[in-house]
Amino acid sequence: DTAVSQTPKYLVTQMGNDKSIKCEQNLGHDTMYWYKQDSKKFLKIMFSYNNKELIINETVPNRFSPKSPDKAHLNLHINSLELGDSAVYFCASSQVPDRVIGANVLTFGAGSRLTVL
Amino acid sequence: QKEVEQDPGPLSVPEGAIVSLNCTYSNSAFQYFMWYRQYSRKGPELLMYTYSSGNKEDGRFTAQVDKSSKYISLFIRDSQPSDSATYLCAVNDYKLSFGAGTTVTVRA
Repeated sequence: DTAVSQTPKYLVTQMGNDKSIKCEQNLGHDTMYWYKQDSKKFLKIMFSYNNKELIINETVPNRFSPKSPDKAHLNLHINSLELGDSAVYFCASSQVPDRVIGANVLTFGAGSRLTVL
Repeated sequence: QKEVEQDPGPLSVPEGAIVSLNCTYSNSAFQYFMWYRQYSRKGPELLMYTYSSGNKEDGRFTAQVDKSSKYISLFIRDSQPSDSATYLCAVNDYKLSFGAGTTVTVRA
C-alpha cells in the first residue's frame, strides 16, 4: 500500500496547455509539500500545506496553483505550460507542522515527470 | 547564498571502496541534518539523520556533522553496486532545504 502516491507518473504535453498532478498520502500526516526536481537533480520546494492551510509559498510563477481539499490530498495545477516547466514534480508529506519541532522527516512519492514540448 | 552546497559529482568507485560525500551549509541555527538516497526514477528516501554535532552510524553508513565548520559528511563503507544512487544532504529548517545531490556509481 503506497504511502504517498502521485498521478500521473508521466505527462507529456504541448506548450500553453493546462495540466494537473494529484497527490494522496495515507500516513495520517498533517503537512504536505510539492518539490520540483530539475534535470540536474536539484530538489527545490514550491509549496507546503498544513491541515489544508498554505504555509510555504516559495517564489513560484502564479501559473502554479496548489489545492488541498483535505489533509490527505494535495494537487498541483499548472496553467499555460512553458518549456522550463519540464521537470519531475515530487509530492511529500511529514508529521511536523509549520515550525520544526524535532527532525522533519519527509516521505516522498515516486514523482510525476512532466515534459513540455 | 544557497542554504546547502553539495558537489554534484558524479562519483564512480570500485566495489568495496569507501564513498565520502560532503556538504556545507550557511545557517549556524540548523540543528537537524539529513541524508536522503534517490534511486533512478524513484523518489528520495531518508537514509539517516543526525542532531547537532557528532557521528551517527547505521550499518555501513556513517553520518558526521561538524557545526564549527558547518560541514556535513556521509561515509559508505564496503560500497556495493546496490549503493549506486544520488545522495542528497538536507538541513532541517521549516521547509527542509536540499543540496544539489551527488550521483554515485559503484562498479562491480
